[in-house]
Amino acid sequence: EDQVTQSPEALRLQEGESSSLNCSYTVSGLRGLFWYRQDPGKGPEFLFTLYSAGEEKEKERLKATLTKKESFLHITAPKPEDSATYLCAVRTDSNYQLIWGAGTKLIIKP
Amino acid sequence: GAGVSQSPSNKVTEKGKDVELRCDPISGHTALYWYRQSLGQGLEFLIYFQGNSAPDKSGLPSDRFSAERTGGSVSTLTIQRTQQEDSAVYLCASSLIPGSGANVLTFGAGSRLTVL
Repeated sequence: EDQVTQSPEALRLQEGESSSLNCSYTVSGLRGLFWYRQDPGKGPEFLFTLYSAGEEKEKERLKATLTKKESFLHITAPKPEDSATYLCAVRTDSNYQLIWGAGTKLIIKP
Repeated sequence: GAGVSQSPSNKVTEKGKDVELRCDPISGHTALYWYRQSLGQGLEFLIYFQGNSAPDKSGLPSDRFSAERTGGSVSTLTIQRTQQEDSAVYLCASSLIPGSGANVLTFGAGSRLTVL
């Protein structure tokens, strides 16, 4: 069964303290891995799409990487405004619908 | 419109009542999706529309749930005889190209449903 698992469930960091969020997946044929950011009371907002192992994408303080089993969202020198829930989703060969992880709630303290 | 619009943003209802949730997608987006998000859970797929037809209704949890889309635009999700377990945030998303690897979803802010 296709599955997406995110860890940790929650992460508290001091402003400026870099870290990584993990999204591991077991799927039958990856067609794309997506990262979204969700702020309280809002819908998810698209960040990145990764298609193949070794691919990397960057946006401001965020960098997403992909291997054959997992993706990392690296956050460098985060600021309080980076606080949000980060969601990972995959699309597979067998199901065009996205399979979502439960998310990682990131809190950056000033 | 500029974004995906959902209404109401908040709905409190009594068990057994019917509710309607509305989604107005981005103009020109042919694909429309409904998801349910419960606390601490990933997004749960409910239904997908391509134009006005729903090729995939596999996620609807029971026959109390139904959805329609008219004019290739506005969609309504109806929950009949609501139960407490229906309490969740219902998210609508739209996209230009359904089913492709490049498909990026644009979400609305959601409708928070509380069933007392």
